[in-house]
Amino acid sequence: EPEVTQTPSHQVTQMGQEVILRCVPISNHLYFYWYRQILGQKVEFLVSFYNNEISEKSEIFDDQFSVERPDGSNFTLKIRSTKLEDSAMYFCASSGPGANEKLFFGSGTQLSVL
Amino acid sequence: GNSVTQMEGPVTLSEEAFLTINCTYTATGYPSLFWYVQYPGEGLQLLLKATKADDKGSNKGFEATYRKETTSFHLEKGSVQVSDSAVYFCALSANQAGTALIFGKGTTLSVSS
Repeated sequence: EPEVTQTPSHQVTQMGQEVILRCVPISNHLYFYWYRQILGQKVEFLVSFYNNEISEKSEIFDDQFSVERPDGSNFTLKIRSTKLEDSAMYFCASSGPGANEKLFFGSGTQLSVL
Repeated sequence: GNSVTQMEGPVTLSEEAFLTINCTYTATGYPSLFWYVQYPGEGLQLLLKATKADDKGSNKGFEATYRKETTSFHLEKGSVQVSDSAVYFCALSANQAGTALIFGKGTTLSVSS
């Protein structure tokens, strides 16, 4: 079965540094998402992306965050200046090609900000 | 706003025991309800879903019924296996596909032989 791939599985960074989390969605999917889960808390929606633009974002997704589809296969989440509270498991998901198809999730990137 | 509350874990059971993981929700309108499962080292996978009141979702021996009167979507399985050990997430969405999901915290299930 096709799968969503996320790299790296673990990322450690210093506070204030920029970090880029990478995702390779399923090849014929057109809708892309980022979620995160802070340890012990709920999985939270961050952003959805379609047709090279953000279609929906949550309050968490502030100016420190950005997403990009730099080529035909990758979907990235950038955090410009990481804070301690950005430490979380970040999940990428994709769906499609139609508008209302189920999400497929990656196994996550554990980000630790020191 | 919309939210999901599920029972705190971990839940520890012996093989062949009956499983219930409680989930209640708060939502405006008529959301779709989902259970996702995360096996160790893997991504979240859709386990089952229900899109309207009184619908029962089922898969791999798991089932859950959309109860509007009690705003609940409890997950049940009659006889768990060691391979069911995972984290289970209840979620809701404003649409049937489950985009822009709102998740609960997750419940860890450990099944021993």
